[in-house]
Amino acid sequence: KNQVEQSPQSLIILEGKNCTLQCNYTVSPFSNLRWYKQDTGRGPVSLTIMTFSENTKSNGRYTATLDADTKQSSLHITASQLSDSASYICVVSEEGTSYGKLTFGQGTILTVHP
Amino acid sequence: NAGVMQNPRHLVRRRGQEARLRCSPMKGHSHVYWYRQLPEEGLKFMVYLQKENIIDESGMPKERFSAEFPKEGPSILRIQQVVRGDSAAYFCASSPFYSLNTEAFFGQGTRLTVV
Repeated sequence: KNQVEQSPQSLIILEGKNCTLQCNYTVSPFSNLRWYKQDTGRGPVSLTIMTFSENTKSNGRYTATLDADTKQSSLHITASQLSDSASYICVVSEEGTSYGKLTFGQGTILTVHP
Repeated sequence: NAGVMQNPRHLVRRRGQEARLRCSPMKGHSHVYWYRQLPEEGLKFMVYLQKENIIDESGMPKERFSAEFPKEGPSILRIQQVVRGDSAAYFCASSPFYSLNTEAFFGQGTRLTVV
C-alpha cells in the first residue's frame, strides 16, 4: 500500500531559527514528490516539486531534498518567520496513475514563536 | 486571474439532507480534482474530472456521492443523505492540462459539518 509518513508530527521553534521536516514514502513506481504549505483554514499551496532526477530544489527560504534510493525527502526552512506557522505536507505521485491520485502525508504542524 | 473558488466556505447540514459543494476552477483550467480531508488525516483523492467527463472516480464512495463538471458553470460535488462521517473539509484543485508534473492549484475548501 502506498504510504507517506512525515515527522515530526508537530514542531515549535523560535523566530529566526532553522528547521528540517522529514518525509518517508513507499510509493512505487515514483513520479514526483511535492511539498505543500497549508495555512489553517486554507487550501494547500505548492512550495516545490521534484522528479526522480532532481535531488534538491529551493524556493526562497525553503529547500527540499530528495533521495529516491532511500525514498526520503526533507524540507529545510531557513531563518523562520512567524508567517511560516502552518502545516507542511509531503505529497508523492505514482507513475502511471492519473494526476489526481496523489498520496498525501498527514503533515507536520510548524509553530514559530516570537 | 482569480484562483480556484469554492463555495460555500462552511456548510452545515442535518443528517439525511443533501450537500452541494461548488468549485470554479482557475480561468483556462479544464481539469478539476476533488479531495477530502477528514479531521486529523491527510487529503485523500476522490475524483478527477474534465469538462463534461469523469476521468477517474476511484476515490469516490460508491453510494451517495456524485460529481459533475458541466460545459458551463462550476464543478459540483454532491452528497446525498449526509451522515456524521461525511463531516470533513472538501478541497478542489484545478490544472490547465493533464501531466504528472503539472502544478495544480487548490481552493480554500468547503468545511462540511453534519449535525
